[in-house]
Order: sequence, then C-alpha cells, then structure tokens
Amino acid sequence: DAGITQSPRHKVTETGTPVTLRCHQTENHRYMYWYRQDPGHGLRLIHYSYGVKDTDKGEVSDGYSVSRSKTEDFLLTLESATSSQTSVYFCAISGPTGLRSSYEQYFGPGTRLTVT
Amino acid sequence: KQEVTQIPAALSVPEGENLVLNCSFTDSAIYNLQWFRQDPGKGLTSLLLIQSSQREQTSGRLNASLDKSSGRSTLYIAASQPGDSATYLCAVFDTDKLIFGTGTRLQVFP
Repeated sequence: DAGITQSPRHKVTETGTPVTLRCHQTENHRYMYWYRQDPGHGLRLIHYSYGVKDTDKGEVSDGYSVSRSKTEDFLLTLESATSSQTSVYFCAISGPTGLRSSYEQYFGPGTRLTVT
Repeated sequence: KQEVTQIPAALSVPEGENLVLNCSFTDSAIYNLQWFRQDPGKGLTSLLLIQSSQREQTSGRLNASLDKSSGRSTLYIAASQPGDSATYLCAVFDTDKLIFGTGTRLQVFP
C-alpha cells in the first residue's frame, strides 16, 4: 500500500467552526489531491497540489482552502464548516515527477466529517 | 463536459463466474483510465491503469480493456471469489483531473 495517512479519521464539528484535515505521505510523490465522496455524486476533486506551495482548484473548491508547505503534507481547511460539507474526504497522491496524467493515483483511508 | 457511466449499478453472482464490468465515457480525449476497488468504509485501491495509447492491461485475474473511439472500458474478472465483493469504480483522466463513475457494487456469493 502507498504510504498515505489521513488525520483525523473521524470528526464531528459544529456549523461555523474551522476544521483542518491532514494528509501525510511517505512516498515523496509530487502530486497530492483532496476529494470528497458523497452518495449520488461519487468522488469529486476539491483541490490539488503539484509541488510545495503550488496548488490549484478542483471541481468543488468553494468553502475550502489548502496548503502545502512540505512535500509530505497537504492540509485541507474548511474555514467555516457548513452542513453541506458533511462528507467523506479522501487524499490521493501520484507521480514522482513529470506529467500528472501519466500516473496512477493512490488513495488514503479517508476522513469521515460530520458537521452538525 | 465529460461524464462517466458504469453499468450495472449492482451485480450479484455465484462464486467461480467470469464477469464483465462496464464503463463508458462521453469524451474520447482522455489521457488514461483507472480502475479502482472500494471496500465498505475504506479508501480506494488502484487495480489497473490504462494509458490512452494502450488497449488493455492485466493483473492476475483482472483484465481491463480500453476503446477510446467508442468511449468504453471493460473490467474482466476471471473465476470470481467472495473476496472480490466490493464496489468497482472507473475514472478517466480528462484535461486536468480524474472524473469518476458512480461504481458497480459487486457481490460474489459462495
């Protein structure tokens, strides 16, 4: 298994509070991704990173921000959590170098977030 | 806009059967296609990656094919086992991101 961990694995929080999810990799891969998985919508890309301090928006980025200060860590922040952000969040990694499109993506175990 | 469809949504088969899972996509201009397995409450496990220039990939009892011109991929599972029970997802890398289908939930019973 690819060396990807996510923390926390489960979290319950209240509407309006900030939440930060962490993804940590030991593979030294260049690319990192955050997805959310919801019934009826499947998996959707929130943000991705193509290097330290280099990030870009995905399909459903509103209400989320990310940071990558080290190769191994990619943080997802919900500045002010809403009930619509209740979901399962997955981190993924790919590619030691080169084009993103060339490589398999490997997924972490997920974080189940509930916003009450 | 790229759309990925998987049919059937659910499938139940007896152990030992050979089976085919289908994935179709609307825009043939893809870079690659990836098949995943997801067990309940777990993350996704990558099964196979097919680059756009390839026609098929094999790993053990799994064989995936890609026909870009018709916008189709199939995942063939030989001699199915109860341990194969899971949801199978296909995803295409389109422009700058993976776009996922909603999956086929497979149950293999003894």
